[in-house]
Amino acid sequence: DAGVTQSPTHLIKTRGQQVTLRCSPKSGHDTVSWYQQALGQGPQFIFQYYEEEERQRGNFPDRFSGHQFPNYSSELNVNALLLGDSALYLCASSHSTGQETQYFGPGTRLLVL
Amino acid sequence: GQNIDQPTEMTATEGAIVQINCTYQTSGFNGLFWYQQHAGEAPTFLSYNVLDGLEEKGRFSSFLSRSKGYSYLLLKELQMKDSASYLCAVRSDSNYQLIWGAGTKLIIKP
Repeated sequence: DAGVTQSPTHLIKTRGQQVTLRCSPKSGHDTVSWYQQALGQGPQFIFQYYEEEERQRGNFPDRFSGHQFPNYSSELNVNALLLGDSALYLCASSHSTGQETQYFGPGTRLLVL
Repeated sequence: GQNIDQPTEMTATEGAIVQINCTYQTSGFNGLFWYQQHAGEAPTFLSYNVLDGLEEKGRFSSFLSRSKGYSYLLLKELQMKDSASYLCAVRSDSNYQLIWGAGTKLIIKP
């Protein structure tokens, strides 16, 4: 049973560039949540996708956008990268009720220079 | 506002017991989670409490008091591999998102 997978594992970009991160949920899960985790901090909720739509969004600017595909996989896009976007980006999957435990992928570490 | 507080760092000895506290103030409550996170890795699920009381799972136990906005994670028979950050997260009413504490870094000494 495959767990949550994310790609790439590491990424280096420069300010102003755009980045796309990818996530495949755990088998049987249909909901994907994205988080940003700065060093030494807890994860910060970016948004959650269910049925190919953004169900809920945290306090992040419109530069952060996403997509969910019919196979439940998801992408996180960040435009006009800032130095402060450097962080670990985590994807978590769960069942659609929203009451279920979230299981995390290994994360993508993004460095913006 | 919504807030979750945990101690920043704790130190304990191998073989001992440690209790990591978490207090929360949220607009509602629909469950509290504890996750373990080793440096550079993703959080892994440890426990879930939605009703008051103690949930035991092997060497780990988690307690919840909703009236006090308080939870703790109890780790017994500490092993060196338990050195990690422990994150407390709350799901508030009608929200799908989790609100996270900053985590408690636990250092285990021989």
